[in-house]
Amino acid sequence: AQTVTQSQPEMSVQEAETVTLSCTYDTSESDYYLFWYKQPPSRQMILVIRQEAYKQQNATENRFSVNFQKAAKSFSLKISDSQLGDAAMYFCAYRKANDMRFGAGTRLTVKP
Amino acid sequence: DSGVTQTPKHLITATGQRVTLRCSPRSGDLSVYWYQQSLDQGLQFLIQYYNGEERAKGNILERFSAQQFPDLHSELNLSSLELGDSALYFCASSVGGRAFDTQYFGPGTRLTVL
Repeated sequence: AQTVTQSQPEMSVQEAETVTLSCTYDTSESDYYLFWYKQPPSRQMILVIRQEAYKQQNATENRFSVNFQKAAKSFSLKISDSQLGDAAMYFCAYRKANDMRFGAGTRLTVKP
Repeated sequence: DSGVTQTPKHLITATGQRVTLRCSPRSGDLSVYWYQQSLDQGLQFLIQYYNGEERAKGNILERFSAQQFPDLHSELNLSSLELGDSALYFCASSVGGRAFDTQYFGPGTRLTVL
């Protein structure tokens, strides 16, 4: 079974600094998709960034970027210039056809 | 506001009962997804519909069923409820049915089974 592991239950970052959230996954597939979702205290899930496994180039969305290492099955999220509004639970997700799995989440705290 | 609506916001019921959760997708979106978020099992994908047809099935229990109607709204039916079914149930929608399509999540329905 495919699993998604987020090894950091909690992370903390100073406002304006950079933080990296880790995610590893297990799959025997070569073509799949990876996502990072944010869940703020309002509980509404928001897509942060996504990556197609066949693309070698790392995805970026403004202050958010990923480090996708396909061979290592690693998909980390880097948040630059952290803002108070970035405080949330972050979930890494894997999808291949019928199979969509989420990690347990990392709670990010941003200190002013 | 994602444009996805879910009703009710909260639901409290007893074990053995049956409930129906409703989801209205964003205007123009053809695909609807259902997810369960619980303390025990985290976030789980339940099922996806695309334009009225089942597209993908995840960890949905046999006691649970869903459908998508011609007006594209969807309902998730949960029957023979157990304490462990207490969770936040999310609906999401996307324009297409592809795995890479951006999903927009609703605010969720909080189900409490007593």
